[in-house]
Amino acid sequence: QKEVEQDPGPLSVPEGAIVSLNCTYSNSAFQYFMWYRQYSRKGPELLMYTYSSGNKEDGRFTAQVDKSSKYISLFIRDSQPSDSATYLCAMSSSNDYKLSFGAGTTVTVRA
Amino acid sequence: DTAVSQTPKYLVTQMGNDKSIKCEQNLGHDTMYWYKQDSKKFLKIMFSYNNKELIINETVPNRFSPKSPDKAHLNLHINSLELGDSAVYFCASTPLTGSSEAFFGQGTRLTVV
Repeated sequence: QKEVEQDPGPLSVPEGAIVSLNCTYSNSAFQYFMWYRQYSRKGPELLMYTYSSGNKEDGRFTAQVDKSSKYISLFIRDSQPSDSATYLCAMSSSNDYKLSFGAGTTVTVRA
Repeated sequence: DTAVSQTPKYLVTQMGNDKSIKCEQNLGHDTMYWYKQDSKKFLKIMFSYNNKELIINETVPNRFSPKSPDKAHLNLHINSLELGDSAVYFCASTPLTGSSEAFFGQGTRLTVV
């Protein structure tokens, strides 16, 4: 079993829809949770960064962390074709030098 | 001004060859990484250096040898390339440990034929 599980999709939604992405994990030491967006043939770029449990909102993006369930989510409101990308969740513990990534979910927003 | 830059962007080479990928970051970060992304987009860490010192060495064949001449540079040398080495290799850096957000380079797409 992988340390971080993420459904690879693909996920296709119409423009304006809410995109819902999630990851589950098994390591209870994880405290830092991130979402990266990766466009085709580009490097991952950080989208959202959350410490411990709770919600964080940034524009159309909302990240949620539920440590009791070992479950994190990313919501994209009013999705746009420019949101079409692969979204990777990543997490680490406080004394860890590495990020553990999910497999990434490929999202297509149809115009 | 690119924060984390890798060269080359594309690399096509024959089996058995030796090749190097270079990475430089101008963010002043202390920690640099090499990640491998396979055809299914899964990103897996290979190595990490903190201020020129190797701190992570995952289960990677010893044909792969990282080298950090200074904290702004982390190069990856691969000996005796195999078909299975074909992947996209990403360099990344963080200010401190993995608890900090990582900045990635654009990737080097390696194809071994």
